[in-house]
Amino acid sequence: ELKVEQNPLFLSMQEGKNYTIYCNYSTTSDRLYWYRQDPGKSLESLFVLLSNGAVKQEGRLMASLDTKARLSTLHITAAVHDLSATYFCAVDSAGGTSYGKLTFGQGTILTVHP
Amino acid sequence: GAGVSQTPSNKVTEKGKYVELRCDPISGHTALYWYRQSLGQGPEFLIYFQGTGAADDSGLPNDRFFAVRPEGSVSTLKIQRTERGDSAVYLCASSWTPNSPLHFGNGTRLTVT
Repeated sequence: ELKVEQNPLFLSMQEGKNYTIYCNYSTTSDRLYWYRQDPGKSLESLFVLLSNGAVKQEGRLMASLDTKARLSTLHITAAVHDLSATYFCAVDSAGGTSYGKLTFGQGTILTVHP
Repeated sequence: GAGVSQTPSNKVTEKGKYVELRCDPISGHTALYWYRQSLGQGPEFLIYFQGTGAADDSGLPNDRFFAVRPEGSVSTLKIQRTERGDSAVYLCASSWTPNSPLHFGNGTRLTVT
């Protein structure tokens, strides 16, 4: 059974600081996703990582994937209040036939304060 | 265009009742998914439709849960004899093809009293 673990689960950051959220998963997978969820809202896709060594950046967020270590990171640079949300990583768990059967981590609740 | 639409946005029902939750996917999306998100948790996969057929229903927790997509567009998730443990946000997602990125709806918050 595929397990996806994120840490930390809660992250309180000061504006302007940098931090990294980690996502470990237990079995081989072809693709990994990062989503953002604001309170009471649905999930917004941030990144799709498809191969070992993949790195993607959007604004103050950068995601990377190490398939050998079964580890993805989401790095936050110079945090701003607008980044406050819950961040989920999710791993494709459909096996050889790829479709949107994802196993999600528990989520990291990020709060950015002045 | 419009995103994935789910109705109702909130549903309160009594234990033992039957409920139906509706999902309108993005027009043209062939793949449709239902997920369930309990408070403080990540979403959990329930079922995947490719066209009209349920290609993977391995996430449905028991036989009280059933979903249909008769014309390959709108889908309905049906829960019989609801239990308090069914309380959660039920999310629907769709994608152009099975391995395209998922687009999630805003969910239906189900509360069973």
